[in-house]
Amino acid sequence: AQKITQTQPGMFVQEKEAVTLDCTYDTSDQSYGLFWYKQPSSGEMIFLIYQGSYDEQNATEGRYSLNFQKARKSANLVISASQLGDSAMYFCAMREGRLGSQGNLIFGKGTKLSVKP
Amino acid sequence: KAGVTQTPRYLIKTRGQQVTLSCSPISGHRSVSWYQQTPGQGLQFLFEYFSETQRNKGNFPGRFSGRQFSNSRSEMNVSTLELGDSALYLCASTPLNRGHGYTFGSGTRLTVV
Repeated sequence: AQKITQTQPGMFVQEKEAVTLDCTYDTSDQSYGLFWYKQPSSGEMIFLIYQGSYDEQNATEGRYSLNFQKARKSANLVISASQLGDSAMYFCAMREGRLGSQGNLIFGKGTKLSVKP
Repeated sequence: KAGVTQTPRYLIKTRGQQVTLSCSPISGHRSVSWYQQTPGQGLQFLFEYFSETQRNKGNFPGRFSGRQFSNSRSEMNVSTLELGDSALYLCASTPLNRGHGYTFGSGTRLTVV
């Protein structure tokens, strides 16, 4: 069965430093998508970055990059130059199959990131 | 373009009552999925609708149901509410193109007393 594991319930990082949030996944499908979302205390889920299983290059979006290691089934999120506004819950999620097929996301338990001034 | 709209934002209901939540996806998006978020269970998939048809369903009891209208707006209904149904209910609009994230609404926070 598909599964997402985030082993870090909480993390602290100093402002302006980089931080890596871990995510491993388990799937038997060859085609899948991996996502990272940020959830501030307000509750909204904010899309950060996407990596497709066939993408050869790691995805990057501004200060966010995804360290995709397919053989190890890991999809770690790297946030460079942390800001106080980065303090939030971060969720790793996976969609199995091609876009347009059954499209539900499987989420990890999340990592609470706290950025210290 | 407008995002995903969920109404109401907050709701307080009594055990045994029923509740209906609404979600309007991004214009042009035909697929909507619903998720329940609780501190204990995290984010769990409820169901997904595409062109008025339920395409996939999570592991929830039959008290949880949903539907989608021809304009892609979706509703979910929970009957005979239990205290454990207290949660943040999130609706997501499925992207049309790969590489785009699912866009979530702000959620409906349901409290059952």
